[in-house]
Amino acid sequence: EAQVTQNPRYLITVTGKKLTVTCSQNMNHEYMSWYRQDPGLGLRQIYYSMNVEVTDKGDVPEGYKVSRKEKRNFPLILESPSPNQTSLYFCASSLSPTGIGELFFGEGSRLTVL
Amino acid sequence: AQKVTQAQTEISVVEKEDVTLDCVYETRDTTYYLFWYKQPPSGELVFLIRRNSFDEQNEISGRYSWNFQKSTSSFNFTITASQVVDSAVYFCALSEADRGSTLGRLYFGRGTQLTVWP
Repeated sequence: EAQVTQNPRYLITVTGKKLTVTCSQNMNHEYMSWYRQDPGLGLRQIYYSMNVEVTDKGDVPEGYKVSRKEKRNFPLILESPSPNQTSLYFCASSLSPTGIGELFFGEGSRLTVL
Repeated sequence: AQKVTQAQTEISVVEKEDVTLDCVYETRDTTYYLFWYKQPPSGELVFLIRRNSFDEQNEISGRYSWNFQKSTSSFNFTITASQVVDSAVYFCALSEADRGSTLGRLYFGRGTQLTVWP
């Protein structure tokens, strides 16, 4: 089954404790991207990647890192999480290398930083 | 300034009513793509439609229709004869495709919460 898988789905952590949210897709998509969803703000792009070893900043990259060592994986790293990073996070992929095609989203990861 | 504006934060209708969700976008690119996504109460994000800037034909898919007007920079979404299952948050999005620093960026509106009452 074609899918984008994120883990963990739910996480409660404390300020400053490094964490990684993994994202994996099995559709051989070139493009992958991370978004955060906050009430009243919609979806905001954090980082995106149009190819292996190529990543770029979106609208709200501060406090986040990503890497794209393999086509299928695009982990989101929070080196020192802070409470303002409490949010619902979505990973997505697209067959189109520039992300102009349909996005396939993961189920979301709800992160709480205390 | 927001590149995609969904001015309606919340809309409530009664079943069988028609409802239009507004989306206004801003771009200087010649080539761009517009999207609508649906987020039902279960939380997943579902693709509904993509339209490129060179195709202004309206599109109809069952009870759903989309009206793209470049003259007003709008890409509105109409649900005809709404049903309770249409209750969701709907997002409009823009991707700019001219070669430049924004290639690969995707801009979402803040979403419109649609509630359809039985």
